[in-house]
Amino acid sequence: GIQVEQSPPDLILQEGANSTLRCNFSDSVNNLQWFHQNPWGQLINLFYIPSGTKQNGRLSATTVATERYSLLYISSSQTTDSGVYFCAVGSDRGSTLGRLYFGRGTQLTVWP
Amino acid sequence: DAGVIQSPRHEVTEMGQEVTLRCKPISGHNSLFWYRQTMMRGLELLIYFNNNVPIDDSGMPEDRFSAKMPNASFSTLKIQPSEPRDSAVYFCASSLTGTYGYTFGSGTRLTVV
Repeated sequence: GIQVEQSPPDLILQEGANSTLRCNFSDSVNNLQWFHQNPWGQLINLFYIPSGTKQNGRLSATTVATERYSLLYISSSQTTDSGVYFCAVGSDRGSTLGRLYFGRGTQLTVWP
Repeated sequence: DAGVIQSPRHEVTEMGQEVTLRCKPISGHNSLFWYRQTMMRGLELLIYFNNNVPIDDSGMPEDRFSAKMPNASFSTLKIQPSEPRDSAVYFCASSLTGTYGYTFGSGTRLTVV
């Protein structure tokens, strides 16, 4: 399968700070998604971004598929941003068709 | 749309009992996925369906696990007999195809004692 590495594993911020989360993957992909798992366990899809850049409010993401990485930017962080951020990737080739492979996540804690 | 609906939200059962988890995907989505989340292994894909047909069940841990999708609006994941090591949060997700954004349900927290 496709290996997904996320960094950093843990991140602690004060409210208002900016942060960058990174996702590296081991193979070419045509599907990349970022998710936020809130403290109640719910997984929310933030971005579907196999390539290029997208923005949604204080969050933005960039994927450079040719270099096999993606970045998630959080600006002016708020306590409600706390939780685990997952990167997941997939491809349409062979045995990996249709599957999403998840990284282990970045645990973000934002203090007031 | 009500999103992906899973039931029950919590299940506590005794070892050896049968457990059935249920999922209703978003209307119109044609791919459905069952994931399991544990601290040790993270999020693991158990099985996924495309147009109600199981495509890849290589993640199903063993024969005690089975999944069905009798129609486009309903799927079940069954564990028989259950064991303590099956304790985890089980998520169902759906998407329009296998390559677009997933929508996850709220999960079922299973505890086998």
